[in-house]
Amino acid sequence: AQSVSQHNHHVILSEAASLELGCNYSYGGTVNLFWYVQYPGQHLQLLLKYFSGDPLVKGIKGFEAEFIKSKFSFNLRKPSVQWSDTAEYFCAAAGTGYSSASKIIFGSGTRLSIRP
Amino acid sequence: NAGVTQTPKFQVLKTGQSMTLQCAQDMNHEYMSWYRQDPGMGLRLIHYSVGAGITDQGEVPNGYNVSRSTTEDFPLRLLSAAPSQTSVYFCASSPGQWGNYGYTFGSGTRLTVV
Repeated sequence: AQSVSQHNHHVILSEAASLELGCNYSYGGTVNLFWYVQYPGQHLQLLLKYFSGDPLVKGIKGFEAEFIKSKFSFNLRKPSVQWSDTAEYFCAAAGTGYSSASKIIFGSGTRLSIRP
Repeated sequence: NAGVTQTPKFQVLKTGQSMTLQCAQDMNHEYMSWYRQDPGMGLRLIHYSVGAGITDQGEVPNGYNVSRSTTEDFPLRLLSAAPSQTSVYFCASSPGQWGNYGYTFGSGTRLTVV
């Protein structure tokens, strides 16, 4: 079955700390991977995406993610977090085929709280 | 502004009432979806559409209906509201197959059923 797992439900960090949020996926066939961010009271926005090529993907606001195929992982990282990074982060996976069955599957989300 | 527009932003319903959540996009996107977001459960797909006149069920379709008469609009109907449908609802659209593009999300509708 297709699934995306985010094992960290709530992460609390101090400003300037480094961040790594875990994401593992189970998806038959070739997969594209996404990280979305939801700031308090707002809708989801795309942070970054991996389709192919360099497994280290850089996104907006200093975030990056590394695709490790052998581990079925797509972890999100940021070297130094800011208070404004307080948000919920969702990992997502989708198939690449042209099929309506290749829908985007979302993880349950990780709430990130940054202490000033 | 281009994007996905959802109305209303907030709604309180009594059990048994029906209502329609509106979703419109002006980006000429073919693919549209409705999700519900519940604490600790991420986003779950309710219904989706790959073009005008074509809809299909997602993961949690019971109690909801959709139609897609135009490319722009994708309304979600609650037939007889239940407290279990208290949630935040997001509409999303994509230019084509989701895996190749990702989504643009609307700002959400927070629904409370009492």
